[in-house]
Amino acid sequence: GEDVEQSLFLSVREGDSSVINCTYTDSSSTYLYWYKQEPGAGLQLLTYIFSNMDMKQDQRLTVLLNKKDKHLSLRIADTQTGDSAIYFCAEFNTGGFKTIFGAGTRLFVKA
Amino acid sequence: GAVVSQHPSWVICKSGTSVKIECRSLDFQATTMFWYRQFPKQSLMLMATSNEGSKATYEQGVEKDKFLINHASLTLSTLTVTSAHPEDSSFYICSATPVGQPSYEQYFGPGTRLTVT
Repeated sequence: GEDVEQSLFLSVREGDSSVINCTYTDSSSTYLYWYKQEPGAGLQLLTYIFSNMDMKQDQRLTVLLNKKDKHLSLRIADTQTGDSAIYFCAEFNTGGFKTIFGAGTRLFVKA
Repeated sequence: GAVVSQHPSWVICKSGTSVKIECRSLDFQATTMFWYRQFPKQSLMLMATSNEGSKATYEQGVEKDKFLINHASLTLSTLTVTSAHPEDSSFYICSATPVGQPSYEQYFGPGTRLTVT
């Protein structure tokens, strides 16, 4: 079945870059997403990438997609303490028309 | 634009009672709404897909008689947890897809934290 995996924890210093990695199994995924969740809140869509793209950049965020290896990454440049949150990788499964989420990576930014 | 609200934001109820959670699209009409459940420090698990005017489609392992979903209008879907038990305590999040938009366009609500005592 479909599966999305990501590391559970990442700690960086303020000002450094953060890289959060994700792997997925469904080769028919057409859209891949990164969501941010702050404590006690819902999900905020950060960015998404179509499966026919390799890279997408949006201000401090850079998404890289290696479709051959089914690997997705999110790079946050100049990480700030306000970036501390849980980041979910997700894929839209066109077969079942549903979104599959990873377990989330907890990003901790040290001042 | 594309704001989704949930009500209540948190609720505490006694075991055996039923609780209704509302999901509303405030500035758009939603053909499809999704209900997710999130356990502490875990991912979101899709419970069901709700289409306006038709029966919800439940994911495998989700009891449809326990988690009643009603999508009565293009701006409102409700999830009722019937005969709630402590193991139903969780964070419930809905999302909505605007009419005319593909299913991969989802806007999430802020979530409802349910605690069953």
